[in-house]
Amino acid sequence: DQQVKQNSPSLSVQEGRISILNCDYTNSMFDYFLWYKKYPAEGPTFLISISSIKDKNEDGRFTVFLNKSAKHLSLHIVPSQPGDSAVYFCAVTYYGGSQGNLIFGKGTKLSVKP
Amino acid sequence: SQTIHQWPATLVQPVGSPLSLECTVEGTSNPNLYWYRQAAGRGLQLLFYSVGIGQISSEVPQNLSASRPQDRQFILSSKKLLLSDSGFYLCAWSGDNSGANVLTFGAGSRLTVL
Repeated sequence: DQQVKQNSPSLSVQEGRISILNCDYTNSMFDYFLWYKKYPAEGPTFLISISSIKDKNEDGRFTVFLNKSAKHLSLHIVPSQPGDSAVYFCAVTYYGGSQGNLIFGKGTKLSVKP
Repeated sequence: SQTIHQWPATLVQPVGSPLSLECTVEGTSNPNLYWYRQAAGRGLQLLFYSVGIGQISSEVPQNLSASRPQDRQFILSSKKLLLSDSGFYLCAWSGDNSGANVLTFGAGSRLTVL
């Protein structure tokens, strides 16, 4: 059973608009939430994270929102740029687990059209 | 600064042949090391992780094995490849023990088993 779900396999957005990527999780014990970005034929790169004690973290054009009651995580990209086109993975981890405790969703492919 | 190298970048192997993928990390000591696989249309699946030389934890039963002969070297192997072993293999390292466990990934190795 998937503990981390990204229900939208793809998303298309116009350049300059907002991109909203969503992620749902099942375990309330998760205490860190991360977003990774992946270009084709490359490894994922870390984008932004948020601790479970916060509900928002912002870094430039990227903002992550955490709704613990809904077990929902979202990544907002504003404004979206063509270079943002990539696959975005959300990931979760929990303190006190093993070092292999980073669990990834299946990813959402974002296409930003000029 | 830390860097991670992974090779080969691409390989095509016949069913039943052996496999060896190598990963090395520079600029850090005693990293946590990981092997992930991204199969077509699927997310990132953790295969193995290691917290030290000779210490390997396996997350899923499979046809693959991992070894860590040196502090900054991680090797993924198979004695006999199966068609289902095809995929994109990613090595990663982490020195973050704070809980967020941010991983830095290599560029990946594309394996096609025919």
